[in-house]
Amino acid sequence: KNEVEQSPQNLTAQEGEFITINCSYSVGISALHWLQQHPGGGIVSLFMLSSGKKKHGRLIATINIQEKHSSLHITASHPRDSAVYICAVISGNQFYFGTGTSLTVIP
Amino acid sequence: NAGVTQTPKFRILKIGQSMTLQCTQDMNHNYMYWYRQDPGMGLKLIYYSVGAGITDKGEVPNGYNVSRSTTEDFPLRLELAAPSQTSVYFCASTSGRPQHFGDGTRLSIL
Repeated sequence: KNEVEQSPQNLTAQEGEFITINCSYSVGISALHWLQQHPGGGIVSLFMLSSGKKKHGRLIATINIQEKHSSLHITASHPRDSAVYICAVISGNQFYFGTGTSLTVIP
Repeated sequence: NAGVTQTPKFRILKIGQSMTLQCTQDMNHNYMYWYRQDPGMGLKLIYYSVGAGITDKGEVPNGYNVSRSTTEDFPLRLELAAPSQTSVYFCASTSGRPQHFGDGTRLSIL
């Protein structure tokens, strides 16, 4: 059983579409991360949040602690957003990762 | 700033060989982590450190050892390489804010 589940596993969108990636977790957490892994393999941390909502450019992350759920939204998607998006939670001193959502944005 | 630097980027080992994956950060971060990423699987935490001289096991520590003699360095050692250790290894560091990741080490055990 995975502590972190993401959906969908794969997502294809047309440029300009609004995108939502979901993350559900089963453990108590102190924080949740959204990461972006580029096709070349490099990993970038997008957000770390423990409550509410954060926004950075076209990216918005929300978390509902009571429902153990987080969403990552991308507005006005662009081909350069194509990547794998990974949800990770911090529980105690442990990190648990989802298997990622592979996003392809078509021009 | 270089951020988090991992070496080597690629390595092929024979079964039973040993090697050390190097990780260095220049951001004075207390927290450092080693992860492995297997194809189709999520990242898994191998070991972590909350400061120099302090290390602890993550989810998948078997077959690995770490040390943290300085704030900057957090090497990961494989003593007896096994095919199951074929993976991409990522080192990361943080001061409590979002993590900074290295570019990864792609390791194949043949």
